[in-house]
Amino acid sequence: NAGVMQNPRHLVRRRGQEARLRCSPMKGHSHVYWYRQLPEEGLKFMVYLQKENIIDESGMPKERFSAEFPKEGPSILRIQQVVRGDSAAYFCASSPGPGELGYTFGSGTRLTVV
Amino acid sequence: SQQGEEDPQALSIQEGENATMNCSYKTSINNLQWYRQNSGRGLVHLILIRSNEREKHSGRLRVTLDTSKKSSSLLITASRAADTASYFCATDKAAGNKLTFGGGTRVLVKP
Repeated sequence: NAGVMQNPRHLVRRRGQEARLRCSPMKGHSHVYWYRQLPEEGLKFMVYLQKENIIDESGMPKERFSAEFPKEGPSILRIQQVVRGDSAAYFCASSPGPGELGYTFGSGTRLTVV
Repeated sequence: SQQGEEDPQALSIQEGENATMNCSYKTSINNLQWYRQNSGRGLVHLILIRSNEREKHSGRLRVTLDTSKKSSSLLITASRAADTASYFCATDKAAGNKLTFGGGTRVLVKP
């Protein structure tokens, strides 16, 4: 039973390009969460999704960032027109759903904007 | 400042000593969890304590929770060099909900 899979592990983008980060939840988990971690800091919540539905996007910047979790396939965090300040580690977690324990994190995608 | 702040920010100890770190939070919680993160790696779940629990043990780990003070502590006994990592507390208002993390305590265990 594979854990939460994130890819790519490392991503380098030039300023102005788009970054797409993928997250496949654990088998049986239908809820996905994205977090961002700046160097030497804790994780900051970005967005919480269920299949085809955004539950909570209160931590997501209003511009350039979007997330989806389609019926089929992985969850995608998309950052348009990246800037240097977007450089961070982006972690995805999945869970079976509200009221359920078993929150599991992926290994993260480290985005570097040059 | 944010929900979930760890204290101290950094801790350096000798192998075999105990390491204690604290976490404070601001709003009511359902669960509090502790995670470990090795440099450049993902998070490893260590232990979860529910709001109606006061103490929990797992191997060399001991976690306490004081909801009246909105604080928790993590004790690592008989530390090893392999315990060198950053430790984060995270709270939720309901299981399966988003987690709010503190800034972490960086622990260095010297052999």
